[in-house]
Amino acid sequence: DVKVTQSSRYLVKRTGEKVFLECVQDMDHENMFWYRQDPGLGLRLIYFSYDVKMKEKGDIPEGYSVSREKKERFSLILESASTNQTSMYLCASSFPHRGNQPQHFGDGTRLSIL
Amino acid sequence: QKEVEQNSGPLSVPEGAIASLNCTYSDRGSQSFFWYRQYSGKSPELIMSIYSNGDKEDGRFTAQLNKASQYVSLLIRDSQPSDSATYLCAVNIILTGGGNKLTFGTGTQLKVEL
Repeated sequence: DVKVTQSSRYLVKRTGEKVFLECVQDMDHENMFWYRQDPGLGLRLIYFSYDVKMKEKGDIPEGYSVSREKKERFSLILESASTNQTSMYLCASSFPHRGNQPQHFGDGTRLSIL
Repeated sequence: QKEVEQNSGPLSVPEGAIASLNCTYSDRGSQSFFWYRQYSGKSPELIMSIYSNGDKEDGRFTAQLNKASQYVSLLIRDSQPSDSATYLCAVNIILTGGGNKLTFGTGTQLKVEL
């Protein structure tokens, strides 16, 4: 079974803090993704990566950055946390092959910015 | 027009009935389609994938795809209370340059009543 592990289930941080969300997958997937999920807005793609050291902006990258130093690990960084970044954050991974591979999700991190 | 549209529901069906969940998409070039189930407070879980026109069956689940009508559906036979969840339709879109992006609908909430 695919295992995507996110470092925290719940996290509370303060406005202005730099926040790191970590994601590790054990299936040797090339592709990794970060989403946020908000009521009524669904899943929105923040950043994704097709390979080590690579990153691509998703639909809502503002206020975020990412790091992929190793194939199995993809980190999401909130440079200066703001209250509108309170959300559920979901990491996913998949094999490539032009999109016919499904994405597998971690358990999510519910982040609250106070 | 949203890229992937679903009726938010809730869709209520009695136990043992067939639940029909529908999804339309805007990109005619899409080739891969997925259904995810998401329980409240949990992450999305892949339940079906479909790539060609017609029906694909897996246990009590049947996915149906009609590319000409840009329509994909999920049927759940013999619905059980444990099927109560939000069902997300996801469509893979090939990006210029060869990458791909999974775009999610906002989900349909299904309630199976005793």
